[in-house]
Amino acid sequence: DSGVTQTPKHLITATGQRVTLRCSPRSGDLSVYWYQQSLDQGLQFLIQYYNGEERAKGNILERFSAQQFPDLHSELNLSSLELGDSALYFCASSVSTSGTYNEQFFGPGTRLTVL
Amino acid sequence: ELKVEQNPLFLSMQEGKNYTIYCNYSTTSDRLYWYRQDPGKSLESLFVLLSNGAVKQEGRLMASLDTKARLSTLHITAAVHDLSATYFCAVDFNFLSGNTPLVFGKGTRLSVIA
Repeated sequence: DSGVTQTPKHLITATGQRVTLRCSPRSGDLSVYWYQQSLDQGLQFLIQYYNGEERAKGNILERFSAQQFPDLHSELNLSSLELGDSALYFCASSVSTSGTYNEQFFGPGTRLTVL
Repeated sequence: ELKVEQNPLFLSMQEGKNYTIYCNYSTTSDRLYWYRQDPGKSLESLFVLLSNGAVKQEGRLMASLDTKARLSTLHITAAVHDLSATYFCAVDFNFLSGNTPLVFGKGTRLSVIA
């Protein structure tokens, strides 16, 4: 158990819908990262938040957005869902102290199925 | 461009044999991580390599880092079925700032067969 929690574990929805995935980082970790993993695309970095602010953006679609709240938990919002959005979505967290190492700890993931 | 390349991407090996997975990266870093992922599961941290020449061992797995060659290896000794999984390496190219994402390789899917 990494200490990172994600809810829900599974989500089944229809095309065109909107869903919210939630992540709580390990105690003390300031950074939260979101990743998408599908069979054909591998592990894709989506977005990073550090202490409430967006820090880095990866291959995140405009239909997707995220935020990190004052208690450091994060939510990933996916809207106008398409079949191709079906994937495992992981959240990871790290302490993110400058000059040291930046090991990321991964949550169990949310499996999203769009029908 | 910051790139991390793993090879092979697929590896089928017999129980009891040895093999090495390679992880090359595009520019200077001395912070490299290895993760393991079982099918449908999360990524589990295996090794953290923090300097040139670093070597870490856990059971039948040994990881090393050569920052001059920009290369890390994950060596498997006398493979057993339980090692079947996907192995990812990830590089921290901006560790001095402390808060940037890692760049992951595509992963090596290892299958150990009897």
